[in-house]
Amino acid sequence: GDSVTQTEGLVTLTKGLPVMLNCTYQTTYSPFLFWYVQHLNEAPKLLLKSSTDNKRTEHQGFYATLHKSSSSFHLQKSSVQLSDSALYFCALSLSGGNYKPTFGKGTSLVVHP
Amino acid sequence: NSKVIQTPRYLVKGQGQKAKMRCIPEKGHPVVFWYQQNKNNEFKFLINFQNQEVLQQIDMTEKRFSAECPSNSPCSLEIQSSEAGDSALYLCASSPQGDSSYEQYFGPGTRLTVL
Repeated sequence: GDSVTQTEGLVTLTKGLPVMLNCTYQTTYSPFLFWYVQHLNEAPKLLLKSSTDNKRTEHQGFYATLHKSSSSFHLQKSSVQLSDSALYFCALSLSGGNYKPTFGKGTSLVVHP
Repeated sequence: NSKVIQTPRYLVKGQGQKAKMRCIPEKGHPVVFWYQQNKNNEFKFLINFQNQEVLQQIDMTEKRFSAECPSNSPCSLEIQSSEAGDSALYLCASSPQGDSSYEQYFGPGTRLTVL
């Protein structure tokens, strides 16, 4: 079946450093990939999405490129801020109806001063 | 910002009691999802609707859980007989039509505690 694997557990960084959170997926169909961010006690929010191979997508300083050849959609930021501390989820969806999205297990990012 | 409304924000029930939560999707979004987010922050898909019709649901939903999205009323998720293991954050999300990617907009969730 379809699956999403992402950097699990906790990633701890100092403010100003770059970050990359890994996301790989498995599907035999044409994928849509998403990154969602969930701050403490808040709703998950869409951060990035892509279905175009090898095209970089950016939002709020975060960026990711869907690489179908390696089934990856890694999330990156060149300089993390304290406000980036949150849970990050990678999710997979497929075109067409009657399909439930698949979420990774989430990565907790903690940024220290 | 998401305009998905979920009520109540917090719900405390005893084992065996019914627990009901509601969701108003964003205006114009015909697809609605329910997820259970456990204490490890993992998402478990429960059920989704397009307009009033169920698209998919998992086995757990078919037994103790019931859900509906009636026309012109909030969607609802109800647990008929709550168990301790049902304690979790229940997230509702809606998705716009015209984009089959199921880009989702989440509500703040209902945190259920079963004593």
